[in-house]
Amino acid sequence: AQSVSQHNHHVILSEAASLELGCNYSYGGTVNLFWYVQYPGQHLQLLLKYFSGDPLVKGIKGFEAEFIKSKFSFNLRKPSVQWSDTAEYFCAVNEGYSSASKIIFGSGTRLSIRP
Amino acid sequence: DAGVIQSPRHEVTEMGQEVTLRCKPISGHNSLFWYRQTIMRGLELLIYFNNNVPIDDSGMPEDRFSAKMPNASFSTLKIQPSEPRDSAVYFCASSLKTGGQLGGYTFGSGTRLTVV
Repeated sequence: AQSVSQHNHHVILSEAASLELGCNYSYGGTVNLFWYVQYPGQHLQLLLKYFSGDPLVKGIKGFEAEFIKSKFSFNLRKPSVQWSDTAEYFCAVNEGYSSASKIIFGSGTRLSIRP
Repeated sequence: DAGVIQSPRHEVTEMGQEVTLRCKPISGHNSLFWYRQTIMRGLELLIYFNNNVPIDDSGMPEDRFSAKMPNASFSTLKIQPSEPRDSAVYFCASSLKTGGQLGGYTFGSGTRLTVV
């Protein structure tokens, strides 16, 4: 069965610091990978997604993620965070070729940015 | 596009009462998902539908939970009878597969359920 692990439960950074949130998944086949963001009191929004091609994916708001197949990882990065990036971040995976299969979410990483 | 629409936004009910949560997916999307989010358990997939047919309901916690999708534009999640431990935010999401383009999910704003 698929699973997603996010090792950092809570990350605290100062503004302008660089960010990297870890994500590992377990599934032997072709996968689609996602990062979602949930701002306080809001619903989940898609930050970026990887289906195929260039393993370095650029998303909205300056975020990017790199798919490393050999490590089963899809870490999220941002070179310089802002206070407005305070949110919870979810890594997710589903089986390749179909968005109609269920997406499995990680437990989330809460990001707090000190102004 | 109005996005995925959920109602009500907030629901407070007494233990033992029936609760019905509603979801209208994005027009044209053929998959619909119900998730529950709590601090303790995070995001849990309860059930999902493809083309109005339930595909996987293994996440439905108990027989007290049931979900229906009578047509492509409407789904309900019902809890009967409700219990305090059902208190959570319930999200509905929909998705579409178009050829090789896979868009991920679009989430609704959620229903915050409090059972007292």
